This record gives sequence, C-alpha cells and structure tokens, in this order.
Amino acid sequence: DIVMTQSPDSLAVSLGERATIDCKSSQSVLYSSNNKNYLAWYQQKPGQPPKLLIYWASTRESGVPDRFSGSGSGTDFTLTISSLQAEDVAVYYCQQYYSTLPTFGPGTKVDIK
Amino acid sequence: QVQLQESGPGLVKPSETLSLTCTVSGGPISSYYWNWIRQFPGKGLEWIGHIYYSGSTSYNPSLKSRVTISLDTSKNQFSLRLSSVTAADTAVYYCARASNWNDLLLDYWGQGTLVTVSS
Repeated sequence: DIVMTQSPDSLAVSLGERATIDCKSSQSVLYSSNNKNYLAWYQQKPGQPPKLLIYWASTRESGVPDRFSGSGSGTDFTLTISSLQAEDVAVYYCQQYYSTLPTFGPGTKVDIK
Repeated sequence: QVQLQESGPGLVKPSETLSLTCTVSGGPISSYYWNWIRQFPGKGLEWIGHIYYSGSTSYNPSLKSRVTISLDTSKNQFSLRLSSVTAADTAVYYCARASNWNDLLLDYWGQGTLVTVSS
C-alpha cells in the first residue's frame, strides 16, 4: 500500500495570512507515461463529507477559489491557501489515486489564530 | 447537479451483515464508477471499493473477503454489504462518484451515514 503522511497535524493562521500543508507519499505517484501526479486534495468541514479541491496535484476543481493551489511532484506535495478566510476552517486530506488501492493522508486541521 | 444519499440501519450487531444503499439523483448511474468509503471515529478515511456501471467491481484487499458492492441501474442505486462486522467497523459510511478523469478520484459524495456496531 502507498502510505500518505501529512504535516503539520494542525495549524492556526491569522485571517488573510498564508496556510501551507505538506503531504508525502511512500512511493512516487507520478505516472511517467502521461507525466501526471495522481494526487488529490480534499476539504472537510464539520458535519460534511470531504469536498474535492484539487486533482492531478495542481488542477483546481470547478468552483474552487483561486486562493487554493497545489504543487509538488513525485512524493512531495503542498496545498497552499494564499489568504485564509473564515470559511476555510476545515480538515484537509491528501489522497493518492495512483495505485489500485487509493489511500488518504491522516488530515491536517486548519483553524483561525 | 448530482446528489447521492446513503440509507440503511444505523446500528448493527456484531457478527451480522451491514447493508447500505446509495441513491443517485440528478444524473445517470451509467458511465461512472461508484464508490464506498468509510471514516472512522478518529477521522481516518478508508476506501472500501467501487463498482462500474457495467457491474465490474474492485475492493480493498483488507476487506475483500467480507465486502460485496452491487448495482441496480433501474433504481439508480448501488449497495454495500459488509459481513461479519465487529466494533472496528463502526464508522461513517460515504458513497461517492468517481470523476470522469479517474475512477478513483471522488468528485461527488453523499452526506454519510453513521453505522455503529454494538450488541
């Protein structure tokens, strides 16, 4: 299985400031034949299901604000919220869909400082 | 707008079979992969398996001996059966559709249903 780890476990950021979450995979999720990273980011607010934010490591899902961006390749990835808004308080998960068994990171909780 | 809604018992006794149904509305069940995922009380997410509209399935190897996912295209529904449950199967169970981009990338989710395994 591909093991996903995230850091930090939680972070508190002031409104309007940048939040950065890291995600690492135990093996590369870059598929060489199409040069795509099979890595997604989800946002989960309390009492709600996860919501797809970013796929292919850096492509925003339709309707996702452009303050959310994804970067990285291979085994190391980052989700950045460029200017934190109150509605961004949530837990964020990364997921690899490279292998036939998709796996999720443990989540990072983002709060307002 | 595609919507998914899970339904089924919220309490299951140990050793019995958990059965859930996901009803899809706002779009066809054809041409997509339909997934079950669960989220444990500690918040970890685990993919259970999926089914294609053709009926082909894929399961998490750790659950494969106990899981069956089936599809009823006439009702726009798909279902999960998990046998021989224990307290470790207590979780919120989600159904989700896979994106056109990849059959394991989940773009629409149901609200989830809590299933507790207890006598």
